[in-house]
Amino acid sequence: QVQLVESGGGLVKPGGSLRLSCAASGFIFSDYYMSWIRQAPGKGLEWVSHISNTGNTIYYADSVKGRSTISRDNAKNSLYLQMNSLRAEDTAVYYCVRDGGYSSGWKLDNWGQGILVTVSS
Amino acid sequence: DIQMTQSPSSLSASVGDRVTITCRASQNINDYLNWYQQKPGKAPKLLISAASSLQSGVPSRISGSGFGTDFTLTISSLQPEDFATYYCHQTYNIPRTFGPGTRVEIK
Repeated sequence: QVQLVESGGGLVKPGGSLRLSCAASGFIFSDYYMSWIRQAPGKGLEWVSHISNTGNTIYYADSVKGRSTISRDNAKNSLYLQMNSLRAEDTAVYYCVRDGGYSSGWKLDNWGQGILVTVSS
Repeated sequence: DIQMTQSPSSLSASVGDRVTITCRASQNINDYLNWYQQKPGKAPKLLISAASSLQSGVPSRISGSGFGTDFTLTISSLQPEDFATYYCHQTYNIPRTFGPGTRVEIK
């Protein structure tokens, strides 16, 4: 079955950096777009970033644009989110999500368990 | 950016009740609308894609409808496992915005 396992979260000081990783299994990773979605404590869902199956097409939310970089390694079945210049408002649970792509209407059909990132001094 | 609103923000209902949640987009999104269910401490789960397509394994008491700007999620007979927060999500364009959520609580 599809498994998405995030790692790399934790406590970081404002202005610091963090790299989230997501290990994918149970499907052909290189066939799928992938997304990062985050959820601040007690708040709703926020779309963060999205990368095509080849890595050639990438989009970011304005809230992270210029500070974050999404990437993937299809040989390692892994998705990444490099986050720099972190702010308190980046504190959230970050979910790695499989994106069904255009043919599916961009549905987010499988989610990891989430990883907590806390930005605090 | 496309703004998504949901109503109500929360509701209390009893087992067996019919529940309807409304989602409205600030502009036309055709049927690029998905619904997710989230239980406390858990990742969201996809329920419905393309406004009305029920995902495999999702009970048939859950349904979705709508096109353009107005959408609904209906639970025909609320069950204990349906108490959760529900989010709509537009994928018509970037950024792919979510609604603020509707919390369904036990009366």
